[in-house]
Amino acid sequence: QVQLVQSGAEVKMPGASVKVSCKASGYTFTTSYMHWVRQAPGQGLEWMGVINLNSGGTQFAQRFQGRVTLTRDTSTSTVYMGVNSLRSEDTAVYYCAKGGRYYPDYWGQGTLVTVSS
Amino acid sequence: QSALTQPASVSGSPGQSITISCTGTSSDVGGYNYVSWYQQHPGKAPKLMIYEVSNRPSGVSNRFSGSKSGNTASLTISGLQAEDEADYYCSSYTTSTTRVFGGGTKLAVL
Repeated sequence: QVQLVQSGAEVKMPGASVKVSCKASGYTFTTSYMHWVRQAPGQGLEWMGVINLNSGGTQFAQRFQGRVTLTRDTSTSTVYMGVNSLRSEDTAVYYCAKGGRYYPDYWGQGTLVTVSS
Repeated sequence: QSALTQPASVSGSPGQSITISCTGTSSDVGGYNYVSWYQQHPGKAPKLMIYEVSNRPSGVSNRFSGSKSGNTASLTISGLQAEDEADYYCSSYTTSTTRVFGGGTKLAVL
């Protein structure tokens, strides 16, 4: 069965960077896309970007362009999401979610990133 | 890209039907048949309930249905059950090749 296992919670200082991993199993990795969505405490879902796991091509929401990177390692079926110049407003649960080009269909368990001095 | 508009909350009694609306523009909901709906219970990851406006993934109850008219999509849950109490989010593909979520709707089963 499909599994997406994300890395553990992180606590970062403002201005730092974070990298969250998402290891996939149970399906053919390169036949799908991986979306990243975040959810601030008590708030709704916010789409950040998506990576084509075959080509490595990426698309981002405008507000994350230049500050978020998405990469994948096909040898380990793992996707990495990096955010730099962290600020307190970036405190959120970050989800990876596999799917097609247009929408995610299966979500990881989420990774809490806390930005605090 | 602005978030899609959903009611903050809806409620219903067990056995009743409810409908959650999701209003966008011709650049998202109205322009594409790539509207999806997600259910999220507290502390849990979202779960896909409807994709491409009206399709149910395998394993999702047929009490859940989706539709679209113009720039507004809708999720209907019939025969409400206590386990349906959750937050529901719509999402759409957009002309700027991004995706956008609604603000979410809290469903209370009274």
